[in-house]
Amino acid sequence: DVKVTQSSRYLVKRTGEKVFLECVQDMDHENMFWYRQDPGLGLRLIYFSYDVKMKEKGDIPEGYSVSREKKERFSLILESASTNQTSMYLCASSSRGRGSFGETQYFGPGTRLLVL
Amino acid sequence: AQSVTQLDSQVPVFEEAPVELRCNYSSSVSVYLFWYVQYPNQGLQLLLKYLSGSTLVKGINGFEAEFNKSQTSFHLRKPSVHISDTAEYFCAVSDPGNQFYFGTGTSLTVIP
Repeated sequence: DVKVTQSSRYLVKRTGEKVFLECVQDMDHENMFWYRQDPGLGLRLIYFSYDVKMKEKGDIPEGYSVSREKKERFSLILESASTNQTSMYLCASSSRGRGSFGETQYFGPGTRLLVL
Repeated sequence: AQSVTQLDSQVPVFEEAPVELRCNYSSSVSVYLFWYVQYPNQGLQLLLKYLSGSTLVKGINGFEAEFNKSQTSFHLRKPSVHISDTAEYFCAVSDPGNQFYFGTGTSLTVIP
């Protein structure tokens, strides 16, 4: 079974803090994704990566950055947390590189972040 | 660009009754279609997916979905729901760039 783990289930941070959310997958997947989930808005893609040290912006990258130094690990960074970044953050991974599609995305359990 | 519409944000249904969750998509290219389920305080789990072949796809937990190309729909059905089916359900499409586009979700509540 594919396993995607996220470093924290719940986080509480203060406005202006730098926040790191980490995601690790154990299936040697090339692709990794970060989404945020908000009621009524579904899942929105923040950033994704097709390979180590590669990253591409999704639909809502403002206020976020990412890092992928190793294939299995994909980190989401909030440089200066703001209250409007309070949300559920979901990491996902899938196999194969860019150019193919139809591959299932496997999700972690999510991190619920509260910014005060 | 691709988009996914889930027309019903909330669907209450009595236990053992049938249910249909609707999903429509728009795309100018060929896409693959997925349904995911999210139980409370958990991540998303794949229910089923349509890649090609038979338009009726069977998934886990007794769910099935039918791909209708002419109506650009991929509705999810279950003939008899259980309390344990209470969850959020997301329809998604995957495009040739391997990006996923999710609908806004349908909250299914099964009433005892």
